[in-house]
Amino acid sequence: KAGVTQTPRYLIKTRGQQVTLSCSPISGHRSVSWYQQTPGQGLQFLFEYFSETQRNKGNFPGRFSGRQFSNSRSEMNVSTLELGDSALYLCASRRGGQVTEAFFGQGTRLTVV
Amino acid sequence: AQRVTQPEKLLSVFKGAPVELKCNYSYSGSPELFWYVQYSRQRLQLLLRHISRESIKGFTADLNKGETSFHLKKPFAQEEDSAMYYCALRQGAQKLVFGQGTRLTINP
Repeated sequence: KAGVTQTPRYLIKTRGQQVTLSCSPISGHRSVSWYQQTPGQGLQFLFEYFSETQRNKGNFPGRFSGRQFSNSRSEMNVSTLELGDSALYLCASRRGGQVTEAFFGQGTRLTVV
Repeated sequence: AQRVTQPEKLLSVFKGAPVELKCNYSYSGSPELFWYVQYSRQRLQLLLRHISRESIKGFTADLNKGETSFHLKKPFAQEEDSAMYYCALRQGAQKLVFGQGTRLTINP
């Protein structure tokens, strides 16, 4: 069965622009979480969606937002990009309920110049 | 606050030698802990979780609540074990709190 798919794989944006990243979870998975990975801060939780509702949010500014569609696909948006937003953004999907194993995508490498 | 600490950023051992990657956590409650691994150019994947009490690829990890540790061990390292290893703590429904990671290199 197909794994978690993230698009695009690579992005280069200019400061001040906005960007949208996409994540398609494993079929049947209803929970999608987003993480930011940087050399300095490591892996940090951004937010989690379950059945189109945001259930948990990390300590990131309001410029970071997301949503989940009825087919469980999720998008993450970052507005007014800053140089410090350059990172690998990972999406993880989980079946939901008491199942806690999360499956990660390959990530989207965002570079802000 | 919940926190996961991996004190070693880099760890290098010879093939056939024992490996221990350290992980300490702080959590008020009953923790659920995981080890994730990321091989070169591959996605982050679950290696094992403490509730399963299983051995995967020869690795084991025991939760020690007294020492708040969840160290990852393997008696005989293999070259294919070279990777980045992350210890993680589940907080709430699905949030994972990760350590900074340890890059393990197995020398031939």
